[in-house]
Amino acid sequence: EAQVTQNPRYLITVTGKKLTVTCSQNMNHEYMSWYRQDPGLGLRQIYYSMNVEVTDKGDVPEGYKVSRKEKRNFPLILESPSPNQTSLYFCASSFVGSPLHFGNGTRLTVT
Amino acid sequence: LAKTTQPISMDSYEGQEVNITCSHNNIATNDYITWYQQFPSQGPRFIIQGYKTKVTNEVASLFIPADRKSSTLSLPRVSLSDTAVYYCLVGVLSSGGKLIFGQGTELSVKP
Repeated sequence: EAQVTQNPRYLITVTGKKLTVTCSQNMNHEYMSWYRQDPGLGLRQIYYSMNVEVTDKGDVPEGYKVSRKEKRNFPLILESPSPNQTSLYFCASSFVGSPLHFGNGTRLTVT
Repeated sequence: LAKTTQPISMDSYEGQEVNITCSHNNIATNDYITWYQQFPSQGPRFIIQGYKTKVTNEVASLFIPADRKSSTLSLPRVSLSDTAVYYCLVGVLSSGGKLIFGQGTELSVKP
């Protein structure tokens, strides 16, 4: 089944403790991207990748890192999480110019 | 980079046709217009995509005037299960991968 898989679905952590949210897709998509969603603010793009080893900043990249070493994986790294990064995170992938396929989301709480 | 403007919320009743309009004044020549539906705590789901004139699929129609500065998503005969947030998105090809979602339109369908 074609899908975008994010892990974990829920994560509670403390300020400053490094964490990684994984994203994997099985559709051979070149394009992958990360979003955060906060009440009243809609979806905001964090980082995106047009292909392997090519990443770029979205609208709200501060405090996040990404890597794209393989086509199928696009992990989101928070090196020193802070409470203002508490949010619902979505990963998405697509062929360039085609509709996005979204994962089921990761709800992160930083205390 | 094309930004979009949509109504924040709309109300409707079961069986009615709902039209949601999105404004995108600075759409680029190569940009497509894509609409997504999102239920609470789920990732957005693709509804329909178009470039110009009219596109119809099994769930919706998309109307795009000749100047392409706006688009209208039409949902025929809505049901309670159509209660969701609807996002209009413009871009990918011209923006090089950077995407800006608007705040979306929260549609509430009442019995």
